[in-house]
Amino acid sequence: GQQLNQSPQSMFIQEGEDVSMNCTSSSIFNTWLWYKQEPGEGPVLLIALYKAGELTSNGRLTAQFGITRKDSFLNISASIPSDVGIYFCAGQQRGTYKYIFGTGTRLKVLA
Amino acid sequence: SAVISQKPSRDICQRGTSLTIQCQVDSQVTMMFWYRQQPGQSLTLIATANQGSEATYESGFVIDKFPISRPNLTFSTLTVSNMSPEDSSIYLCSVVDLGGAFFGQGTRLTVV
Repeated sequence: GQQLNQSPQSMFIQEGEDVSMNCTSSSIFNTWLWYKQEPGEGPVLLIALYKAGELTSNGRLTAQFGITRKDSFLNISASIPSDVGIYFCAGQQRGTYKYIFGTGTRLKVLA
Repeated sequence: SAVISQKPSRDICQRGTSLTIQCQVDSQVTMMFWYRQQPGQSLTLIATANQGSEATYESGFVIDKFPISRPNLTFSTLTVSNMSPEDSSIYLCSVVDLGGAFFGQGTRLTVV
């Protein structure tokens, strides 16, 4: 099935560092979502973006809806050990309720 | 957001058998979907579960292998039929509302 390109694939960072990841598509999306998934759990919605250029924060997390509507970015500031997990982006195309998922970014935080 | 419960949470099944996964939502929802997450991979959409009519399958997924029922606006089932080890995955139920897409905890299936 179709998937969005997400990078980086994995990151190993020191506690306290900032993290950036992005998601790109060849198609235009109306909505971008960012999720975190921990082992044995379903994805948990972190941030939802609904308009091109929109910048939204949720605590230490900030996400942006790209102006071209073909990309989105997630930043995590001052990382902590509990940020460990897999982060997924998901996009929704116009005229559909379906969400297509990115390939994921696996984050590991070293204390 | 809606609370989504899946049963079973995990199972180990023999090849050639079938498993039915249940998804219960605590409120009526229009849009319900089933995803597959193979080991170490992202989520792939299997189908849209349509209430009162046949599910709409994505490319690469067929009704004979993944029959889906949606008898009402709060419940759906996904059956994984004639299982093989390649079907070992996490299967996830999802509902969509204006706020986004929300997931249950998933069903971890291992086929031996």
